[in-house]
Amino acid sequence: QKEVEQDPGPLSVPEGAIVSLNCTYSNSAFQYFMWYRQYSRKGPELLMYTYSSGNKEDGRFTAQVDKSSKYISLFIRDSQPSDSATYLCAMSAPVGDDKIIFGKGTRLHILP
Amino acid sequence: EADIYQTPRYLVIGTGKKITLECSQTMGHDKMYWYQQDPGMELHLIHYSYGVNSTEKGDLSSESTVSRIRTEHFPLTLESARPSHTSQYLCASSEVGDTEAFFGQGTRLTVV
Repeated sequence: QKEVEQDPGPLSVPEGAIVSLNCTYSNSAFQYFMWYRQYSRKGPELLMYTYSSGNKEDGRFTAQVDKSSKYISLFIRDSQPSDSATYLCAMSAPVGDDKIIFGKGTRLHILP
Repeated sequence: EADIYQTPRYLVIGTGKKITLECSQTMGHDKMYWYQQDPGMELHLIHYSYGVNSTEKGDLSSESTVSRIRTEHFPLTLESARPSHTSQYLCASSEVGDTEAFFGQGTRLTVV
């Protein structure tokens, strides 16, 4: 079993819809959870960063962490064509074994 | 502006050639990483460094080597390129103890 599982998609939704992206993980030591956005032929850029459980909101983006279920989500409200990209979840354990483990990424297409 | 730079962006090279992929960051970060990313696949950590004169191998076996003589510079070298090395190589940096990694734009390498 991979440490981080993420559905690669592609996921196509109409403009304005709410998008839900998810990852599951197996390592209960993970405490730091991140979402990266990667446009075609570019490097990933950090979108959201969450420590431990709970929700974090930034504009149209909301990150949720459910450590009891080992499940994290990224919600995008009022989706725009410019949100079309690959979204990668990433996570790591506290200092001592702090390598960042990435999911495969989900390709998202927002249809105008 | 603080940033992380990779050169070249694209490289096509013949089998057996020696190549060095450059990565520099102006963010003052101590920790730096090299990831390999194939289309539709997760990022695989191939090398990382905690600071000057520190280099560690990542999870993915790689025939490349790295050096860290200066804090801001983390080059990756392939002594003898092979077609199996064709991939995208991403450099990243972060503060030690902080798992928010910032990525460069990547180098897309093709070995023919």
